[in-house]
Amino acid sequence: AQSVTQLDSQVPVFEEAPVELRCNYSSSVSVYLFWYVQYPNQGLQLLLKYLSGSTLVKGINGFEAEFNKSQTSFHLRKPSVHISDTAEYFCAVSPTGFQKLVFGTGTRLLVSP
Amino acid sequence: EAEVAQSPRYKITEKSQAVAFWCDPISGHATLYWYRQILGQGPELLVQFQDESVVDDSQLPKDRFSAERLKGVDSTLKIQPAELGDSAMYLCASSLSGTSGNNEQFFGPGTRLTVL
Repeated sequence: AQSVTQLDSQVPVFEEAPVELRCNYSSSVSVYLFWYVQYPNQGLQLLLKYLSGSTLVKGINGFEAEFNKSQTSFHLRKPSVHISDTAEYFCAVSPTGFQKLVFGTGTRLLVSP
Repeated sequence: EAEVAQSPRYKITEKSQAVAFWCDPISGHATLYWYRQILGQGPELLVQFQDESVVDDSQLPKDRFSAERLKGVDSTLKIQPAELGDSAMYLCASSLSGTSGNNEQFFGPGTRLTVL
């Protein structure tokens, strides 16, 4: 079985500051990795995904993530956040060959002026 | 831009009543998913359809929940009877068929259920 741990339930940051949202996963098989963003009362939108190849993945809205197999991590980063980045961010894994997504509990990013 | 449609957006019901949620996936998407998202948690898969067939319903509480996708297009999720613990956001997603990583799941806006 797979599991995802997002240790930070909430991350406050000032506008234009850098941010890192942490994600660690556990799996006995190879997985694909995803980050989704959820704005209030909306569905989830895919930010980026890691399938294979380069461990540094770039996504939408200036976000990027780095896959670290030895540390089983897939941390999300942005060099300069904007007020509009305030949202809930979910890390998810999917066993290769399957479509089921297993989500973490989410990290609320709060960007203040 | 094609989107996943869900209705209603909000539903308030009393416990022991029946409720139903509807989802219309993006046209051409063979795979449809229903997730439940309890407040403060990540979404959890309830059921996955490939066309009209159920491929995974291991986390669906089958004593009270049912899901169907009769013509392989839109889908309905039903709860009967509703319990207080069913209060959550119910999300529908769809994707093209194929291997997992190459098929992005597109999510609808969700139905927020409150059981009183």
